[in-house]
Amino acid sequence: DQQVKQNSPSLSVQEGRISILNCDYTNSMFDYFLWYKKYPAEGPTFLISISSIKDKNEDGRFTVFLNKSAKHLSLHIVPSQPGDSAVYFCAARGQAGTALIFGKGTTLSVSS
Amino acid sequence: GAVVSQHPSWVICKSGTSVKIECRSLDFQATTMFWYRQFPKQSLMLMATSNEGSKATYEQGVEKDKFLINHASLTLSTLTVTSAHPEDSSFYICSALGGGATYEQYFGPGTRLTVT
Repeated sequence: DQQVKQNSPSLSVQEGRISILNCDYTNSMFDYFLWYKKYPAEGPTFLISISSIKDKNEDGRFTVFLNKSAKHLSLHIVPSQPGDSAVYFCAARGQAGTALIFGKGTTLSVSS
Repeated sequence: GAVVSQHPSWVICKSGTSVKIECRSLDFQATTMFWYRQFPKQSLMLMATSNEGSKATYEQGVEKDKFLINHASLTLSTLTVTSAHPEDSSFYICSALGGGATYEQYFGPGTRLTVT
């Protein structure tokens, strides 16, 4: 039973436009959500996170939105750059100190 | 700061042999480390939680006698794949739990295991 779902396996966006990556979850006890960027044969790189008590967190070109009632979060990248092309994983944490639960990832391709 | 290393980054072994993967927190102490496995185009799946000085906790479906985990110090956890089979070929990633209020996890660069 997948607790964290990324239903879009891929997304293609033109350089300069907005990229929106979506993530749904089923466990209402998750207290922290994170987005990671990953290249093949490398470990995940942390991008941005959000606590369950907030609905928005922004860091430069990256903004994460959380809709608790819908159990949905999204990552917005504006403006998108070719260097953003990678696999993006959504992850959630049940409580502090426990392992992260990952979605299956979305491959973002940004064309110039 | 908060760097996690893995060694080796890539290993090929023959069926039936064992291979050890090391995970080190280089600039902080980690009482808890996690081991994940990723198959091609799949998610990172948690295999086990490794706690310094105690036995690891394995996720359902992960054979503890096949995937031996030892967390002997606050900066080192090892994963040994015993009697490896081709289906064990995968990308293994560790993460170390940092301290502080947010309990951030810091990921290693991963180890590509190929069993022939």
